Parts: sequence; structure tokens; C-alpha cells
Amino acid sequence: GEDVEQSLFLSVREGDSSVINCTYTDSSSTYLYWYKQEPGAGLQLLTYIFSNMDMKQDQRLTVLLNKKDKHLSLRIADTQTGDSAIYFCGARYFNKFYFGSGTKLNVKP
Amino acid sequence: EPEVTQTPSHQVTQMGQEVILRCVPISNHLYFYWYRQILGQKVEFLVSFYNNEISEKSEIFDDQFSVERPDGSNFTLKIRSTKLEDSAMYFCASSEEQHSYEQYFGPGTRLTVT
Repeated sequence: GEDVEQSLFLSVREGDSSVINCTYTDSSSTYLYWYKQEPGAGLQLLTYIFSNMDMKQDQRLTVLLNKKDKHLSLRIADTQTGDSAIYFCGARYFNKFYFGSGTKLNVKP
Repeated sequence: EPEVTQTPSHQVTQMGQEVILRCVPISNHLYFYWYRQILGQKVEFLVSFYNNEISEKSEIFDDQFSVERPDGSNFTLKIRSTKLEDSAMYFCASSEEQHSYEQYFGPGTRLTVT
């Protein structure tokens, strides 16, 4: 099955850009996702990208997909303290969904 | 805005006991899922459910687990004879269509097996 890996922690200063990275193993994955989890809440879809795309931009969020290296990244521009949360990378393979362990983003004022 | 709800938020049970975790998916959704996250580890897919049948399940979802949609609103995960290693956060999710890119997640139930 699919294996999704991401780093566990990232700390940035407010106003800086954050880049969260993820790698996956199955090139057949059709959708790749970024979810956000705030304390006490479920996973909330932030953005997704089809596997036939290289980039997707949505306001402050930019997703880059490198299919050759099976690498997905999420860039958050002008990071705010409200962006502090755990970010999960996910991949869909048919009707199964795989997630990483989550990257805890800490935004310092 | 419609949301997926889960009860209870925290369940403590003794090893060997049976637990039922409950979820109310979004009302017009047709596909339902359970995931678990052991502390500090990945969110793992357990099972997907559609039209009163399991459509996909992972290796984790063995005979100890079962799912049911007992009425038009609830979606339950039953864990028989719980083990210490079943302690985890269990998330329910639902989606409108099978190939919908988006799943809506509930806030999770923290299961502690002592």
C-alpha cells in the first residue's frame, strides 16, 4: 500500500513563509491532499491537487507536486499565529486514503 | 455548516471489553469511513462503507472490528475484546460521492484501553 512520510515539526516566525514537505511511495495515487487539524477538531481539508498537476495556488497556499520524486509540498505565505496547527499530507489510491503522521507547525509572534 | 459529529469524545474501557464508537455523518453523504491515529503515529485508514456494505478495508480491520449503519443517521464502529494497542484516536469521515475529492472528518473519539 501507500506510505506517506512527513517531518514532525516546523517552527516559523509570523509573517514568514512556511514550507511543509511530504513524500509518498505510490505513483498511482490520484489525489494528494493537505489537511489541517486544530486542537480538539477533526481534519479539515485545506487544499488538494490532482496527480496530473504540478502546482496549485489558493490564496496564501501553494501546493507543489513533483511526481518524479513523489514529493508534495505546502507553502503558506505570510504565516499567521492562527496557522499554528498540525498539517497532514494525504494520498488517495482508489478508494483508500493514506495519511502521514502530521507536521506540527508552530508560529512564533 | 453541516458537520460530522462523533460520540463520545473520550471513552475509557478495560481490556477485553467491547466498545461502540458512534458517528453521525453529514446527512446527504453516502460514503462513510473510519480512521485511527495511535498517538504520535500516522492516521491509518480502517474501512470505507457504502450502501450498507464494506467497500474497502485495510489489514488493520480484522475480525475484531465491525461497522454498521443501524439507522438512517448513525454509523458505528464496534471493537470487540479491546486490547491495549487499540488505544488511539478514532476519526469518522463521510463524503458525498465515491470519487469526491473531499472527505469531511469528525473531531474524533479518543479511546483509552486500560
